[in-house]
Amino acid sequence: GAVVSQHPSRVICKSGTSVKIECRSLDFQATTMFWYRQFPKKSLMLMATSNEGSKATYEQGVEKDKFLINHASLTLSTLTVTSAHPEDSSFYICSAREMTGVAEAFFGQGTRLTVV
Amino acid sequence: GESVGLHLPTLSVQEGDNSIINCAYSNSASDYFIWYKQESGKGPQFIIDIRSNMDKRQGQRVTVLLNKTVKHLSLQIAATQPGDSAVYFCAEIYSGTYKYIFGTGTRLKVLA
Repeated sequence: GAVVSQHPSRVICKSGTSVKIECRSLDFQATTMFWYRQFPKKSLMLMATSNEGSKATYEQGVEKDKFLINHASLTLSTLTVTSAHPEDSSFYICSAREMTGVAEAFFGQGTRLTVV
Repeated sequence: GESVGLHLPTLSVQEGDNSIINCAYSNSASDYFIWYKQESGKGPQFIIDIRSNMDKRQGQRVTVLLNKTVKHLSLQIAATQPGDSAVYFCAEIYSGTYKYIFGTGTRLKVLA
């Protein structure tokens, strides 16, 4: 299957700083990328959907100014957690879909964010 | 046996036995379903998928059953192995939005 790479896999940051997480599709062009958040022992919660070249669509309850998403190219989307706080600590996972009309999406390996 | 804890329900099976993991989905309009395996600290790994025009699909050691009448999905793993220990999630997708909605997940523990 297609490969989606997330970087970094782990990051620790201080409260008040911002952290950027990258999601890259390595062998295909991703028209749509999704960002999820996963709490310990919980399921994946969709945060936002981003289409290349347009603004991301955020799910209800997700602060768009807190979680900045940029999908500037067909192979890269970034999630920036701004002014991070300890409650933002979580596992963040991206997925990418190759083309419109195709349902299958491929998942990155996730990023463990710890805010201290 | 199966137990429901405070968080993820857990299914414990003996090595070599068959496992059945169940999932109830919410949207009757969902037309594509996927089972994922997630190991600790990793992203979801695709296992098997099924479209709504089918009620059964088989892969290598795995079978997915879909019952649209009761909005139920199951994953059967034959001859469960220690490497199958993980958390399993079902995902429902509606082709109108292509959003993935994940189920609550089930932790599978394989006992030696």
